[in-house]
Formats: sequence, C-alpha cells, structure tokens
Amino acid sequence: EVQLVESGGGLIQPGGSLRLSCAASGFTVSSDYMSWVRQAPGKGLEWVSVIYSGGSTYYADSVKGRFTISRDMSKNTVYFRMNSLRAEDTAVYYCARGIRWDYFDYWGQGTLVTVSS
Amino acid sequence: QTVVTQEASFSVSPGGTVTLTCGLSSGSVSSGYYPSWYQQTPGQAPRTLIYSTNTRSSGVPDRFSGSILGNKAALTITGAQADDESDYYCVLYMGSGISVFGGGTKLTVL
Repeated sequence: EVQLVESGGGLIQPGGSLRLSCAASGFTVSSDYMSWVRQAPGKGLEWVSVIYSGGSTYYADSVKGRFTISRDMSKNTVYFRMNSLRAEDTAVYYCARGIRWDYFDYWGQGTLVTVSS
Repeated sequence: QTVVTQEASFSVSPGGTVTLTCGLSSGSVSSGYYPSWYQQTPGQAPRTLIYSTNTRSSGVPDRFSGSILGNKAALTITGAQADDESDYYCVLYMGSGISVFGGGTKLTVL
C-alpha cells in the first residue's frame, strides 16, 4: 500500500529555514515523480516543486532560489529545504507522488508551516 | 504569466449533471497539457479523480468523466450526490517540469 507521511512543519520566524520530510512506503521514491504542493489558509492548491525519477528538479517561480527538493534513497524519503521564509509561505505542505510527470496519484496528509514573528 | 482559470463556484441539484471547466488566460487547453482533476473536502488531502484528460484514477466512480470541450478541459459529474460537495481543482502541465493548478471551483449540491 502506498503511503506518504510528511513531517517537519511548525512555526518559524520570517527569514528562517525549515526542512520538511516525506517518508514513503509501498513504492520507491527514486522510481517515481515526487512533488510538493502547498495550500495557504483558505486558499487554493499551488504546485511548488518536483523531483523526477532521473533526478531533475523543477520549481515554481514563487520559491525558486529559496527552496530545494531532494531525496534519500536509503531512507526512501523526499525532503524540502525551505530558506529565507516569508509570511506568504505559510501553508499546509503536501507531498504527492506521480508515476508520470504530469499528475499526482497519491497524497500525504500534509504538514503545516507557519511563518510569523 | 499564464493563469489557469476555473469557475469560482457552481451548484447542482442532487441527481443532476454539472460540468466544470479549466481554461487558460491565454490560449486553448488541449490534451497536450495533460489536464488532471482533484477533489478536496475541507481539512482533507486532495483526492485524484482524472488524469491525462479522461482517465479515471483507481476507485473513482464512472459518474466522474473528463474531456476537452471547445478550448477548455472539462470535468463532468453525472448523478450528483451530496458527498460530491467539495472543491475541485484542475492541473495543467506546462512543460519543462512545471505544473499549474487552477484556482479551484467550489461545488455545492443542493
């Protein structure tokens, strides 16, 4: 059974850094396409990043240069390093899997990141 | 910057049929954008409904169908039920690794 469990969210001051984790089971993260999707309070979903099975990474303009997606195959875990955090980065961050690059078939339950002083 | 557009809200009667659409602020949506659709209820993670325009995800009832209608992608729900009341999001693949969500449609069943 495919499962995704996010962790690492919390309250962080503006300008701070945080690393989210997405622990996967039931499949191998290096074989599929792993994305981060976020949702600000009361707002819609926003795709923010993906790491391809081949290792290529892509980012939305809103986070490019500040956030980094990576994976650890030995732990079957995907990470999301977030630097220079801003108030507008406050959101629930979902980890999502895709067996192709163009959609997401499994979702985690999300982890809340709050950027506030 | 291209924006993916969806109706902000829609309502349907129980048992009725509703079609939600997904367009582009500039240009037409084709199957080459690999439109996909997701359902989300408050406080829950999204659920995948449709991918590659019209392929239903595992376990999704055939009341849900996807298509291209004119210059937009479309999600049609037939025989609407009370638990279809949710937010619905489309995603378009823009190429070069980039996916973009629409703003979402809040569907009310009443």
